[in-house]
Amino acid sequence: QVQLVESGGGVVQPGRSLRLSCAASGFTFTAYAMHWVRQAPGKGLEWVAVISSDESDKYYADSVKGRFTISRDNSQNTLFLQMNSLRPEDTGVYYCARAMGRSSPQSRYFDFWGQGTLVPVSS
Amino acid sequence: DIQMTQSPSSVSASVGDRVTITCRASQGVSTWLAWYQQKPGKAPKLLIYAASTLQSGVPSRFSGSRSGTDFTLTISSLQPEDSAAYYCQQADSFPLTFGGGTKVEIK
Repeated sequence: QVQLVESGGGVVQPGRSLRLSCAASGFTFTAYAMHWVRQAPGKGLEWVAVISSDESDKYYADSVKGRFTISRDNSQNTLFLQMNSLRPEDTGVYYCARAMGRSSPQSRYFDFWGQGTLVPVSS
Repeated sequence: DIQMTQSPSSVSASVGDRVTITCRASQGVSTWLAWYQQKPGKAPKLLIYAASTLQSGVPSRFSGSRSGTDFTLTISSLQPEDSAAYYCQQADSFPLTFGGGTKVEIK
């Protein structure tokens, strides 16, 4: 069965960096685009970034552009999110999610999600 | 960016009631819209995509429809396990955006 397991969260000070990982299993990782979606405490969902299956395309939310970098290691079935210059407003649970299909627009829906990893940004 | 306006922000209904949630897009998104259900402390779950296509395994009491830039999620007969937050999401263009959410409570 499809499994996505995030790790790397934890308390971080404003201005510092953190790298999140998402280990994927149960499907052909190299065939799917992957997304990061976050949720501030008690708030709604916010899409963060997407990376295509072959890393050729990447898109970001305006709120993280220039500070966050999405990447993947297809040999290790792992998705990453490098977060630099963190701000208090980046606080939240970060979910990795699989794109539902291999082509647009199906690749812009999320059919499997991890359990999330919490990133509190606080001094 | 495409703004998604969801209403109501919360609804309280009895078991067996029909519940309707609306999502309005700030510009046309064709049928590229999904609905997700999220229970407290859990990851969201895909219910409907392409405005009206039920994801595999989702009960048939959930349905979706579209009228122009207005989208509706309907629960035909509310069940206790449907207590959750519901979010719409447009898949027409980047950045992908979600509605603000609707909390469904059981009376």
